Amino acid sequence: GAGVSQSPSNKVTEKGKDVELRCDPISGHTALYWYRQSLGQGLEFLIYFQGNSAPDKSGLPSDRFSAERTGGSVSTLTIQRTQQEDSAVYLCASSPPGTSGKYEQYFGPGTRLTVT
Amino acid sequence: TQLLEQSPQFLSIQEGENLTVYCNSSSVFSSLQWYRQEPGEGPVLLVTVVTGGEVKKLKRLTFQFGDARKDSSLHITAAQPGDTGLYLCAGCYNQGGKLIFGQGTELSVKP
Repeated sequence: GAGVSQSPSNKVTEKGKDVELRCDPISGHTALYWYRQSLGQGLEFLIYFQGNSAPDKSGLPSDRFSAERTGGSVSTLTIQRTQQEDSAVYLCASSPPGTSGKYEQYFGPGTRLTVT
Repeated sequence: TQLLEQSPQFLSIQEGENLTVYCNSSSVFSSLQWYRQEPGEGPVLLVTVVTGGEVKKLKRLTFQFGDARKDSSLHITAAQPGDTGLYLCAGCYNQGGKLIFGQGTELSVKP
């Protein structure tokens, strides 16, 4: 079946511009996660959506970052007034319901963001 | 702040050798996962361990969860060039699905 898809695969933007990154989770998966992967920093948790519950935003690095999940499916991560330190690969993952607390996550290929 | 220490960061070995990667924390995990990532792709789940002392095998890969659920190891027997990649451990600390990742181990297996 189809996996997690993300778009665009690559994005180059100028410092100060806003960007939107999209994630299409696996059909039927109720949980959706955003992570950021940069050299020397590993994979950092950003935000987590579970069903209709309020999202866990504890990993968002600043108020320039926000995310939405519409209709319990597609999610958009928005970065406003991008800075060079925002350059990274942004990864989206989803989890099926009923994982018995394992929270096994299936990742998309990521969006490579470069801020010039 | 919950941290997950993974070691070694880099490992370069010859085909046929054995290796072990370690993942340690001062906190107790509710579950721990191991992923493998190749360049340009997202991480792919290898295994999830939940019970202290649990051992899981996936062909030549053996995963162990510490009795206290604070540490884990990945052992690869007779490594092959196809095992080359970035290995990541990730712990869940009972805060929903939020995963804390280790820094990763970059494994290179030379023929």
